[in-house]
Amino acid sequence: GDSVTQMEGPVTLSEEAFLTINCTYTATGYPSLFWYVQYPGEGLQLLLKATKADDKGSNKGFEATYRKETTSFHLEKGSVQVSDSAVYFCALKAGGGNKLTFGTGTQLKVEL
Amino acid sequence: DTEVTQTPKHLVMGMTNKKSLKCEQHMGHRAMYWYKQKAKKPPELMFVYSYEKLSINESVPSRFSPECPNSSLLNLHLHALQPEDSALYLCASSQDPGAGDTIYFGEGSWLTVV
Repeated sequence: GDSVTQMEGPVTLSEEAFLTINCTYTATGYPSLFWYVQYPGEGLQLLLKATKADDKGSNKGFEATYRKETTSFHLEKGSVQVSDSAVYFCALKAGGGNKLTFGTGTQLKVEL
Repeated sequence: DTEVTQTPKHLVMGMTNKKSLKCEQHMGHRAMYWYKQKAKKPPELMFVYSYEKLSINESVPSRFSPECPNSSLLNLHLHALQPEDSALYLCASSQDPGAGDTIYFGEGSWLTVV
């Protein structure tokens, strides 16, 4: 079945550091890929998405590129801020259906 | 505007109570969802409504009863819940139930069963 694997957290960074959160997937066909962010005490917000190979999703300084050859969708940001502290979920939708398959989530803590 | 509104934000209920969670979207989306999220875990799909009809029930216990009165509203009726049902309940919607379609989430309802 479909699955998403994310790097274990928590990830702790200093402000202005470079961020990478790894995400790889297994899916039938050609899934759409998503990153969602969940701030403390809140629901999930869509951060970015990509629907086909080589697409790059970007938002709020975050980027991720859909790499079919490596089945990956790694999240990157050049300079993190304290306000980026949250849990980040990688997810996919595949097969024409409406089920999101989530990774386990990666907690990011950014310190001054 | 990609807004899914959920009420109440917090709910405390006893194991013999009957309560409901409500969800509303005015984006013209035709698919609506209920997810359950426990602490430090990803959301788990409970139900999907597609064009106001229940299309997916992920083997959820009957003490949870979904209802879709119209294309903008989604309810989750709660009865005889257990303490282990305490969680964040997330409503979501999408334009169409297709693979490329983005699912948008509400802020959630925090449920505590005592």
